Amino acid sequence: ILNVEQSPQSLHVQEGDSTNFTCSFPSSNFYALHWYRWETAKSPEALFVMTLNGDEKKKGRISATLNTKEGYSYLYIKGSQPEDSATYLCAFKGGSQGNLIFGKGTKLSVKP
Amino acid sequence: ETGVTQTPRHLVMGMTNKKSLKCEQHLGHNAMYWYKQSAKKPLELMFVYSLEERVENNSVPSRFSPECPNSSHLFLHLHTLQPEDSALYLCASSQELGRTEVSPLHFGNGTRLTVT
Repeated sequence: ILNVEQSPQSLHVQEGDSTNFTCSFPSSNFYALHWYRWETAKSPEALFVMTLNGDEKKKGRISATLNTKEGYSYLYIKGSQPEDSATYLCAFKGGSQGNLIFGKGTKLSVKP
Repeated sequence: ETGVTQTPRHLVMGMTNKKSLKCEQHLGHNAMYWYKQSAKKPLELMFVYSLEERVENNSVPSRFSPECPNSSHLFLHLHTLQPEDSALYLCASSQELGRTEVSPLHFGNGTRLTVT
């Protein structure tokens, strides 16, 4: 059984704080790692798709790194804003024919 | 118009009812998915239609029946559900590329299903 673990489960920060959270996944048969942001009452929205070990992607104040050899990815948010409040999901794809296996997500709350 | 549209947004049904969830994508994608989100569990893949081929998760009970009449439309037919089937059902689509490329999922807003 493939397991994707995300930590922490939830996180409360003040506006302006920088924060990061972790996604752990199997280190064998890696194909891709996805990050999604899911705001309440909306649909999950893709942030990044990462495929190469050592990859680093950035979108505004949000960035992500990938270590496929040890099986983890970090998501960083610089200078958190209330609109960053959402659940952040990661999903692992093992093999070109594999389906995405999702973690339970990290719920981020940013207080103004 | 949003890329992936799901109807209805909310559905309450009895255990003996038959109902259907509908999903439509306007993105020209060639793969569509049904996911289930239960409380405190990760998103769980139920069914995939990719390049007109159906792939299913063998743990999905037969009271859930998908239908994909074309690449833009996806249905989930529900029959004699149980209260534990109450969950958020999300539809998604993606563009399946070559073997060396990956593409993200585009999700609808989901149908919140309550089985009484």
